[in-house]
Order: sequence, then structure tokens, then C-alpha cells
Amino acid sequence: EVQLAESGGGLVQPGGSLRLSCAASGFDFSFHWMHWVRQGPGKGLVWVSRINSDGSSTTYADSVKGRFTISRDNAKNTLYLQLSSLREEDTAVYYCARLAYGSRHGFDLWGHGTLVSVSS
Amino acid sequence: DIVMTQSPDSLAVSLGERATINCKSGQSILYNSNNKNYLAWYQQTPGQPPRLLIYWASTRESGVPERFSGSGSGTDFTLTISSLQAEDVAVYYCQQYYTTPYTFGQGTKLEIK
Repeated sequence: EVQLAESGGGLVQPGGSLRLSCAASGFDFSFHWMHWVRQGPGKGLVWVSRINSDGSSTTYADSVKGRFTISRDNAKNTLYLQLSSLREEDTAVYYCARLAYGSRHGFDLWGHGTLVSVSS
Repeated sequence: DIVMTQSPDSLAVSLGERATINCKSGQSILYNSNNKNYLAWYQQTPGQPPRLLIYWASTRESGVPERFSGSGSGTDFTLTISSLQAEDVAVYYCQQYYTTPYTFGQGTKLEIK
């Protein structure tokens, strides 16, 4: 089955760190650029970060630049997001999403998300 | 950053009637070299991740019912549901992927009247 499955979320104090993982299965993970998108409680979707297919290029939203790090291990079919210096406003469900390949576009496959709660 | 503004914020439509959601980008997202609008539409039902409906502003994703259509160019775009079904109750988002950050609209909540 083609799917993405996030893990690693949880409750963390302000200033703390977490590492999120996104396990890919059922497709050739190494072909696809991958993204992280988050959604605060009752809020809309916010793009967080992206990484190219071989991991050599990354981009971040200004709100997380210098605090979050995206990476991938194509041998393990896994995407990561290291979250550091967490703030209460980082509280959200974090989704990994696959960028469609070839002539298609958009985020055509999403995981079900992992909840990160930042609170003292 | 390219600001994406959707209207209305919420919408109630009778079953079988047409629903129209608008999305305006703060700058053109038409890439002249390939004449493509870098815009996608997503549907999110409660407790679920978003689902891609439309990309390139008007290309329907595989498996998406024909009642969903996208139109527009440059800065003004529309998602139309030609005949609303009960399963279409959701929040709909537009997104530009012309340049990072890949910004989303604030969402439009669609309900049954």
C-alpha cells in the first residue's frame, strides 16, 4: 500500500526538542521531493519545509529557519524533521507530504500527521 | 511571501446545487515559460489529512469526481463543485507552489444548507 506514516510527536516544554519521522512505503521514495506541513489546533495549513530527492537541497519557512532541520534517508525510506528551540506557537499536527512526480504537481500523498504540543 | 486569500470563509449550499470557492494570489502565479498556473486545491474532512483535488489550477487529480473543477489564471482562481453531495462537506484550501514558501489560503468551510 502506498502510504506515509509520521511518528515522534508528543508533549515538550518550551525550548525543548523533538525528532519527527515519516516512513514511506509502497512507492519509490528516492524519486520524490518531500515536504512538511503543519496545522495548529483549529487552524489552517502552513508549509514548513521541503527537501529535494537526494537530500542535497533544503528550504524552510522563515518561522522555523534556524530551529528546524529537514533530512532524509533514502536507504530507509524515511523523512525526518528535527525540531529545536520549540515555542508554544509550534504546537500543531505535523504532516509529511509527497510532491507529485513528473508532469503532475501538488502534494499528492499525505500522512495522517503527528501531534506536537509545546507547553510548560 | 505570496499571500493567498480565499472567499468566502464559509459557505452553505443545498444538496445538488453548485458551490463556488474563490482564491486570489497576491501576485501572478502564472509561469510564462510553460503557461502553467502553479496552483492546487485540497479538500480536508474532519480528522483527515488534506486530499489533492486539482493541480495546475485546472487539472483534476486521478480519482477525483468530475463534479470538481478548477479555473482561473494569473491571480484569480475558482474551485467549482457542480452538484454538491453530502460527502463534499469539508474545508477547502488553495495553495500556490510558484515559489517557496508554498502558501495556502486560509480555508473555506463548506456545509450543507
